[in-house]
Amino acid sequence: KQEVTQIPAALSVPEGENLVLNCSFTDSAIYNLQWFRQDPGKGLTSLLLIQSSQREQTSGRLNASLDKSSGRSTLYIAASQPGDSATYLCAVSGNQFYFGTGTSLTVIP
Amino acid sequence: SAVISQKPSRDICQRGTSLTIQCQVDSQVTMMFWYRQQPGQSLTLIATANQGSEATYESGFVIDKFPISRPNLTFSTLTVSNMSPEDSSIYLCSVTRGSVYNEQFFGPGTRLTVL
Repeated sequence: KQEVTQIPAALSVPEGENLVLNCSFTDSAIYNLQWFRQDPGKGLTSLLLIQSSQREQTSGRLNASLDKSSGRSTLYIAASQPGDSATYLCAVSGNQFYFGTGTSLTVIP
Repeated sequence: SAVISQKPSRDICQRGTSLTIQCQVDSQVTMMFWYRQQPGQSLTLIATANQGSEATYESGFVIDKFPISRPNLTFSTLTVSNMSPEDSSIYLCSVTRGSVYNEQFFGPGTRLTVL
């Protein structure tokens, strides 16, 4: 069964800092990998989708990379802002979607 | 993208009762999914609901406890039956356009508290 792990579980950074969130998965036979943001008590907002044939995707200050062979993805956030504070989840799709444990990010003004 | 709404947004229920959660999508989609997110946990897939067929349940979830309807390509309901405090969670519906190859979109969630 696919297992998805995110490290660190929690991260606190000062405003303006660049940061990297990590996602690892055990089965490289995936169709795609998706990064989400979740605010407390809310649903998930899709941030980036990387197809299995792609290496990275960019949207604004966000850049996600995928190394399928090693079972890793990173989400890079440039020039972090307090509004970036949320939980970030990665999910991989095989025969279903498997979600990671999440990284809780706090950006301190 | 897809715009998804859920009703109710939150509810507080008594043990032994049932609650039906509605999920409405702004356009036709093939696959709809229901997830549970227990406090402090990640998402767990309950079932996949395709229009015109019975829902497919994941291990640990049964139809008697979580009956699902999918009457058309824009709507689905999930019922949480005979609730206990362990059912207190956020319940989320999501959709993809076509298959698991495609981007997944989520509704705002239903926060359920069972007393």
